[in-house]
Amino acid sequence: ELKVEQNPLFLSMQEGKNYTIYCNYSTTSDRLYWYRQDPGKSLESLFVLLSNGAVKQEGRLMASLDTKARLSTLHITAAVHDLSATYFCAVGANQAGTALIFGKGTTLSVSS
Amino acid sequence: KAGVTQTPRYLIKTRGQQVTLSCSPISGHRSVSWYQQTPGQGLQFLFEYFSETQRNKGNFPGRFSGRQFSNSRSEMNVSTLELGDSALYLCASSLQDSYNEQFFGPGTRLTVL
Repeated sequence: ELKVEQNPLFLSMQEGKNYTIYCNYSTTSDRLYWYRQDPGKSLESLFVLLSNGAVKQEGRLMASLDTKARLSTLHITAAVHDLSATYFCAVGANQAGTALIFGKGTTLSVSS
Repeated sequence: KAGVTQTPRYLIKTRGQQVTLSCSPISGHRSVSWYQQTPGQGLQFLFEYFSETQRNKGNFPGRFSGRQFSNSRSEMNVSTLELGDSALYLCASSLQDSYNEQFFGPGTRLTVL
């Protein structure tokens, strides 16, 4: 059974500092996704990672995937308050179709 | 391009009742997946429909069911509601392939009293 673990679950950050969120998964998968969720809102797609060594960047966020280590990281550079949200990684269940197994999410709080 | 829409946005029901939630995917998307989000269990996959057929199913009791119509719109039904069914129900649509990006709707907040 595919399990997805994120850590940390809570992250209190200072503006301007760098941080990394880790996402480990238990069995082979060839696709990993990162989503952002603001309180009371739905999920916003951030990154789709489909191959080993994939790296994607958008603004202050950079995501990478190591399929051999079954690990993805979401790196935050020079955190700003607008990045405060909950971030989820999700791994494609290794079967035909679009089922995703989600981590429990990492809640980021950025303060000055 | 319009996003994924879900109706209703909020729903209050009592135990034992049944409920039907609706999801309209992005135009051209043929796959619709449903997820349940609760504070305790997080986001859990319910089922996925593609071309009117259930392609995958998560680990939920038979009280949870769904269907997809020829226009790709999907409905999910929960019968004999329990207090624990209170959750945010999210649907997501994608073009068709496992590797396509999934886009989530705003969700339906179900409260069971």
